[in-house]
Amino acid sequence: DIQMTQSPSSLSASVGDRVTIACRASQSIATYLNWFQQKPGKAPKVLIFGASTLQSGVPSRFSGSGSGTDFTLTISSLQPDDFATYYCQQSYNTPRTFGGGTKVEIK
Amino acid sequence: QVQLQESGPGLVRPSETLSLTCNVSGDSFSNYHWSWIRQPPGKGLEWIGYFYYNGSPNYNPSLQSRVTISLDTSKSQFSLRLTSVTAADTAVYYCAREGFDRLLRYYFDSWGQGLRVTVSS
Repeated sequence: DIQMTQSPSSLSASVGDRVTIACRASQSIATYLNWFQQKPGKAPKVLIFGASTLQSGVPSRFSGSGSGTDFTLTISSLQPDDFATYYCQQSYNTPRTFGGGTKVEIK
Repeated sequence: QVQLQESGPGLVRPSETLSLTCNVSGDSFSNYHWSWIRQPPGKGLEWIGYFYYNGSPNYNPSLQSRVTISLDTSKSQFSLRLTSVTAADTAVYYCAREGFDRLLRYYFDSWGQGLRVTVSS
């Protein structure tokens, strides 16, 4: 199985801050990398697919980059609605695997 | 706009079989992976498996001996069966559709709201 490792596991930030979340795969996955946002009691929602393609309807303050084993999700200016947990996930092969999550909290 | 909705019992006894159904509305079953994903309380996401519309299932090896996913296009639904459950199977279970872009990069683009299932006597 491909192991996905996210860092940090949690962070505190203020509205307006630039936030970066890292994700590393245990082997190369090209750009088969997706990012999800999950709020308490809700299903995950895709933000970015193919490492850098913004899903329709997702605000442009979200962006993704990387290829191979190292990836980044960036929120350019954190908004109140962005406080949530973020997961990366690989679709290079099966079993599909997710990172452990990064919880973004209010400072 | 596709919509997915899980249904099934919220409580299952240890050693019994967990059976859930996902009703799909607003789209056909063609060209997608119809998937189940679960999330234990306070933990991360675990992929259970998917059923491809042409009849091919694909399961997580960690669950393969206990899991069956099936598709019933006439009823616009797909199902999950997990046998011999234990407390470790307590989780929120999500059904999801996995689509792909023009480069065949797959991603879960639609999810059900989730169903909490507790395994307890």
